[in-house]
Amino acid sequence: QQPVQSPQAVILREGEDAVINCSSSKALYSVHWYRQKHGEAPVFLMILLKGGEQKGHEKISASFNEKKQQSSLYLTASQLSYSGTYFCGTDPPFTQGGSEKLVFGKGTKLTVNP
Amino acid sequence: DTEVTQTPKHLVMGMTNKKSLKCEQHMGHRAMYWYKQKAKKPPELMFVYSYEKLSINESVPSRFSPECPNSSLLNLHLHALQPEDSALYLCASSPRTGGNSPLHFGNGTRLTVT
Repeated sequence: QQPVQSPQAVILREGEDAVINCSSSKALYSVHWYRQKHGEAPVFLMILLKGGEQKGHEKISASFNEKKQQSSLYLTASQLSYSGTYFCGTDPPFTQGGSEKLVFGKGTKLTVNP
Repeated sequence: DTEVTQTPKHLVMGMTNKKSLKCEQHMGHRAMYWYKQKAKKPPELMFVYSYEKLSINESVPSRFSPECPNSSLLNLHLHALQPEDSALYLCASSPRTGGNSPLHFGNGTRLTVT
């Protein structure tokens, strides 16, 4: 079951904040976040595991609400380098270790302008 | 620089050709993956190898044949492909399978089938 990301696209000026959401209709064990720049490989940002822990990476943080089956990615004081497409990947529960099948959302294209 | 190396970077092949894509990692990861990515779409899982054994085949047509000769290498053998198979093929690795293990992607092979 593919997670649903919103919004599909965001345009920011440098220094502005943004929130990207990822929701699933099924129970989740974990949520992954990746960023892919044009013509490059997706790059891992962070994983959030069942338990609601908030993770951080530079000025990017994320939360995971397992009851709502959704995660949000927070980009604070955006930089030009944040531009790219952000994918969430969700992982249904399988025993305690999640499954092997990470399913990606359709992506959110973030553009940061000077 | 990515720690997962894919060759070749670009490949053009006819529908009657046989070619192979190669992927290598030296991070000691025991899980390796093939993903297919069409333009402006998320990566789609094709195959998962765990400890050098095929653990997931996402109903991929037999014209795609994966091989994992050892824990560092992953191949994708291609034969009698169709034009709609043109895409970016991404290899990824992770320390193990399971939802708490981040994916490390290679830069991909851009395949064009003529």
